Amino acid sequence: AQKITQTQPGMFVQEKEAVTLDCTYDTSDPSYGLFWYKQPSSGEMIFLIYQGSYDQQNATEGRYSLNFQKARKSANLVISASQLGDSAMYFCAMREGNFNKFYFGSGTKLNVKP
Amino acid sequence: NAGVTQTPKFQVLKTGQSMTLQCAQDMNHEYMSWYRQDPGMGLRLIHYSVGAGITDQGEVPNGYNVSRSTTEDFPLRLLSAAPSQTSVYFCASSYGLAGQDTQYFGPGTRLTVL
Repeated sequence: AQKITQTQPGMFVQEKEAVTLDCTYDTSDPSYGLFWYKQPSSGEMIFLIYQGSYDQQNATEGRYSLNFQKARKSANLVISASQLGDSAMYFCAMREGNFNKFYFGSGTKLNVKP
Repeated sequence: NAGVTQTPKFQVLKTGQSMTLQCAQDMNHEYMSWYRQDPGMGLRLIHYSVGAGITDQGEVPNGYNVSRSTTEDFPLRLLSAAPSQTSVYFCASSYGLAGQDTQYFGPGTRLTVL
């Protein structure tokens, strides 16, 4: 079974609007971490936001927030007030327990329209 | 502080040739990993290391060898390149495995095997 599933291969959003990128995960480990990364066309991987499995509140980092629904095993990324520079691939990832193993989803390509 | 560096940026090999992808980090991180990124599949873990002298296999280790003789360096060796190894390779490092100890990624190596 896939550890991380991103069901939206591509999405469009109008500049200044909010957008939600979906991510579901699969693990039986009670301790895990969820990460979102941005990959612009230049290719580098940029860390955006983290949510721990025991965190009570949803994580926020500037315009990024993570909608964490533990019972549904979902960790959706919300980008508020989209900007043209947000156009990129976005990857959801999970680390199980305290292991140096990250599992990545297949990514969502976000296009922000002016 | 250069972060994670990878060389070369681009490489073309013929089937059966061998080569080593170099990765170095100057952040004194214990944990290092190698990933490959194929279109539509996100990043997949090849090998990882939790410290000098300690390595382990990830999801897709076949055809690749690694060693970790120093904290700073984590080279990836292709002993006999195959067209199926055409991909973009990322090296990553992290300080720890707790909480939001995220990985820092190198710029990637684009490898083509003919």
